[in-house]
Amino acid sequence: SQTIHQWPATLVQPVGSPLSLECTVEGTSNPNLYWYRQAAGRGLQLLFYSVGIGQISSEVPQNLSASRPQDRQFILSSKKLLLSDSGFYLCAWSVLGKDYGYTFGSGTRLTVV
Amino acid sequence: RKEVEQDPGPFNVPEGATVAFNCTYSNSASQSFFWYRQDCRKEPKLLMSVYSSGNEDGRFTAQLNRASQYISLLIRDSKLSDSATYLCVVTSMEYGNKLVFGAGTILRVKS
Repeated sequence: SQTIHQWPATLVQPVGSPLSLECTVEGTSNPNLYWYRQAAGRGLQLLFYSVGIGQISSEVPQNLSASRPQDRQFILSSKKLLLSDSGFYLCAWSVLGKDYGYTFGSGTRLTVV
Repeated sequence: RKEVEQDPGPFNVPEGATVAFNCTYSNSASQSFFWYRQDCRKEPKLLMSVYSSGNEDGRFTAQLNRASQYISLLIRDSKLSDSATYLCVVTSMEYGNKLVFGAGTILRVKS
């Protein structure tokens, strides 16, 4: 069966520090991968999505970047965190052409101090 | 106008009550519709897809009205464990088949 792993679960980072969040998927090949952010009390905002290795689309301009070095690995990064980067970061996967919705990882709660 | 709009609630209901949530979407070309459930500080999980003819899964019934661009979720015989945030989700070719989430409706079921 397919599983999605995301880590760490919580993270407290100072302003100006770098960030690297990793997401991996097991049990499927060539998934579509997504990074979402949910600010406190807000809806989910799509940050990046990827349909294949090295293929990244950005939805909103921001202080973050994403990379997909392997088929089932998706990384969210920042060189210098801002206070406004705090939030709940969720990785998700879906299968192209399948109308099954997305499956989310357990998320990383990031607090920038 | 937001692409997906929901009443944020909270809806406070007693156990056993029937409660309904509504959602409207702005893109008439939207193709697929879902309800997700999100528990406090957890990831969203797919509750059910919404089909044009309406569909039911146990105590949960989802309805779609394409003409009015309106989706609903009905929960019968509410349980304490139904307390969560319910997210309305749509997708369309215009969105590149990416899911667009509403901000969610909070449900609190009390004994």
